[in-house]
Amino acid sequence: QVQMVQSGAEVKKPGASVKLSCKASGYTFTGYPIHWVRQAPGQGLEWMGRISPNNGDTTYTQKFQGRVTMTRDTSITTAYMEVSRLRSDDTAIYYCARDPFFSTDAFDIWGQGTVVTVSS
Amino acid sequence: SYVLTQPPSVSVAPGQTARITCGANNIGGESVHWYQKKSGQAPVLVVYENYDRPSGIPERFSGSNSGNTATLTIRRVEAGDEADYYCQLWDSSSDYVIFGGGTKLTVL
Repeated sequence: QVQMVQSGAEVKKPGASVKLSCKASGYTFTGYPIHWVRQAPGQGLEWMGRISPNNGDTTYTQKFQGRVTMTRDTSITTAYMEVSRLRSDDTAIYYCARDPFFSTDAFDIWGQGTVVTVSS
Repeated sequence: SYVLTQPPSVSVAPGQTARITCGANNIGGESVHWYQKKSGQAPVLVVYENYDRPSGIPERFSGSNSGNTATLTIRRVEAGDEADYYCQLWDSSSDYVIFGGGTKLTVL
């Protein structure tokens, strides 16, 4: 079945970097963009950006430009997101999600989420 | 760029109808999607492109979109529908995905 499995929880100190992974299976990995969304404690969903697995093209929200890098490895159908210069307010659950809806960007399959805790 | 406005909370008795709104200027011209988010779980797409339902989503969930308001309607509400609900769209002018602030549905 179609699924996206994310890497395990991370605990980082402020100023460090974290690289999250999202392993896709059950569909053609290069066929659909993958998006990253986070939810901080007590907050709503926040879109961070997307990557097109077929060519590696990325779009990041202005808030995260310069601090977030999305990549992929098509040989192992895995997408990655690295967040650098972590701050305490980056503490959140980070989700990857598949987008099969060309030109309307909706997400039908989500990973289980990765908890990232930033604390000194 | 769009700002999607949702009421913070909606309460409804079991068996009744819940309506959750998502407001923005001329949102009726956009494709709006809705997600159900339960605590400790990943979001689930319940309505896409204004009114379509993914397979497996009960017919009790429906969507509409016109003018300045998109609406998620949940008929015959059950205790298991208690969750946060988020509207979302793609803003073509910025190429960004926008989420509403979320609405907590409480089943009384």
